[in-house]
Amino acid sequence: EVQLLESGGGLVQPGGSLRLSCAASGFSFTTYDMSWVRQAPGKGLEWVSTISFSGDRTYYAYSVKGRFTVSRDNSENTVYLQMNSLTAEDTAFYHCAARTYTIGWYFEYWGQGTLVTVSS
Amino acid sequence: QSALTQPASVSGSPGQSITISCTGTSSDVGVYNSVSWYQQHPGEAPKLIIYGVSNRPSGVSHRFSGSKSGNTASLTISGLQAEDEADYYCSSYTITTSLFGGGTKLTVL
Repeated sequence: EVQLLESGGGLVQPGGSLRLSCAASGFSFTTYDMSWVRQAPGKGLEWVSTISFSGDRTYYAYSVKGRFTVSRDNSENTVYLQMNSLTAEDTAFYHCAARTYTIGWYFEYWGQGTLVTVSS
Repeated sequence: QSALTQPASVSGSPGQSITISCTGTSSDVGVYNSVSWYQQHPGEAPKLIIYGVSNRPSGVSHRFSGSKSGNTASLTISGLQAEDEADYYCSSYTITTSLFGGGTKLTVL
């Protein structure tokens, strides 16, 4: 059974930092790009970042570039998102998603998400 | 790049068909065949239902179908069932980003 289990969310003050983790199992983690997609409560999906299967390429949404860093440990089947200089606009559920290519690129597997709340 | 444009809501009666549109630009939807669709029920993770514009993953009902014309992709759900009531999101790949639509809430009357 495929599982993506996010952790590390919580309440943080504006300007603070948080590190999210996503532990993967049940699929060939090292052959998938991994992404973070966030969803503000009651709102739509917003792509945040993607890291290539090998970890040598990373991509970021304009809204988080320079503040967030994505990384992965293929020996632990885990992807991370280091979030710095957080603002209220970063408050959201953060889902990790496994991206692959067969006919086009798509997010094949999703986690339930971890909630990040930025508030004083 | 801006998000893709979807209608905020659609509705239909059981047994009917509905179509959700997803409009992008010639830099995303119009140029890549990497349009995918996701279904999300309240409190759950998004679920892939269409990839590569018109392909269904194993286990997804044949009542879901996708298409694309120019810069607009579409998701059609035929034979509506109560369990189809959910939020639906389209997504398009670009070389450096991924884009999502704002989401469409489907109500089954």
